[in-house]
Amino acid sequence: KQEVTQIPAALSVPEGENLVLNCSFTDSAIYNLQWFRQDPGKGLTSLLLIQSSQREQTSGRLNASLDKSSGRSTLYIAASQPGDSATYLCAVGMDSNYQLIWGAGTKLIIKP
Amino acid sequence: GAGVSQSPSNKVTEKGKDVELRCDPISGHTALYWYRQSLGQGLEFLIYFQGNSAPDKSGLPSDRFSAERTGGSVSTLTIQRTQQEDSAVYLCASRRQGEGTGELFFGEGSRLTVL
Repeated sequence: KQEVTQIPAALSVPEGENLVLNCSFTDSAIYNLQWFRQDPGKGLTSLLLIQSSQREQTSGRLNASLDKSSGRSTLYIAASQPGDSATYLCAVGMDSNYQLIWGAGTKLIIKP
Repeated sequence: GAGVSQSPSNKVTEKGKDVELRCDPISGHTALYWYRQSLGQGLEFLIYFQGNSAPDKSGLPSDRFSAERTGGSVSTLTIQRTQQEDSAVYLCASRRQGEGTGELFFGEGSRLTVL
């Protein structure tokens, strides 16, 4: 059974720092992995989707990597800003036709 | 539409009443999911629709919960005889199928408060 873990559960850093959020999974036979952010009281916004054949994806200040063999994905945020404060969730897709397995999220606070 | 649309955005109801929550997925998305998120908690899977296949209802918490998807597009989640523990944000998401796709897009959610 696939299990997805996100550590740490919460993180607080000063503005301007580069930071890394971690997502680990127990079954390496994944189809894809997706990173989301959720602002308080809002829905989820898709950030990056990495297919199983890919090693990384980049969007602006965000870079997500995937290492299936070690069961890990990282989300790198460069030059953090207060507007990056949110909860970040990763979700693992096990095939093209089914539901995602979710991590519990990392709550990120960027201090001005 | 441009994104996943959910209505109502907020619903306050009395215990014992029935409620209906609506989700209009992105046009062309064949897969539709309902999730529930209680305050401070993670996402709880409720039900999954894929095209004309029978839906996966394995996440529905009780028989008071039901969902349908008409014409492969709009979906309605119905909660009968609501209880206070049903209070949560109900999130709908959709995605396309096929190789190279699978990115999931969420609506803003419907916040349900049962008094």
